[in-house]
Amino acid sequence: DAKTTQPPSMDCAEGRAANLPCNHSTISGNEYVYWYRQIHSQGPQYIIHGLKNNETNEMASLIITEDRKSSTLILPHATLRDTAVYYCIVRVSGTASKLTFGTGTRLQVTL
Amino acid sequence: DGGITQSPKYLFRKEGQNVTLSCEQNLNHDAMYWYRQDPGQGLRLIYYSQIVNDFQKGDIAEGYSVSREKKESFPLTVTSAQKNPTAFYLCASSDSGYSYEQYFGPGTRLTVT
Repeated sequence: DAKTTQPPSMDCAEGRAANLPCNHSTISGNEYVYWYRQIHSQGPQYIIHGLKNNETNEMASLIITEDRKSSTLILPHATLRDTAVYYCIVRVSGTASKLTFGTGTRLQVTL
Repeated sequence: DGGITQSPKYLFRKEGQNVTLSCEQNLNHDAMYWYRQDPGQGLRLIYYSQIVNDFQKGDIAEGYSVSREKKESFPLTVTSAQKNPTAFYLCASSDSGYSYEQYFGPGTRLTVT
């Protein structure tokens, strides 16, 4: 699985959009980009994933650059409950295999 | 309610004792996983199982053992051979569908003194 690079921490004001970047310059053509988040002392929660097209669900949007070397997770209206560590992971889909978690980005949403 | 349960939430043991962590899922998922998380770190894979009666070592399997006798259960035993067992242990499962996103349990925090 390709390695990812994320900033260690970010702040966002409540109600504003939170844009979390991820670099994955060595991603392969069959590797998807997954995002998970982990609220303190809880298990990680799946957010969204994509291959090359932008994706949106009820939680977030995922924007993947045309060359697929980077992506951005967007939380459109951040709330205090979005304070968590966000992990960007790239892996081949369709296989029951490990998720390689780095240290992620710690997002702090403030009033 | 479908989901993954882990018990207990907190577990304390003396050094030299084996301890078994429970993981049960009612999502009808084929695959199950065990991860370990140390403070300020990401998750590391201990073992995973794609089907009943079969499992594979992950990145840090030494000092751990598992069994998969039932689809819904994947217990993890932390043996006395594990040198630094104190950690947060997370169980996950995934289905055999297209996206394979993993669903995580609430975790068990094990402290060995």
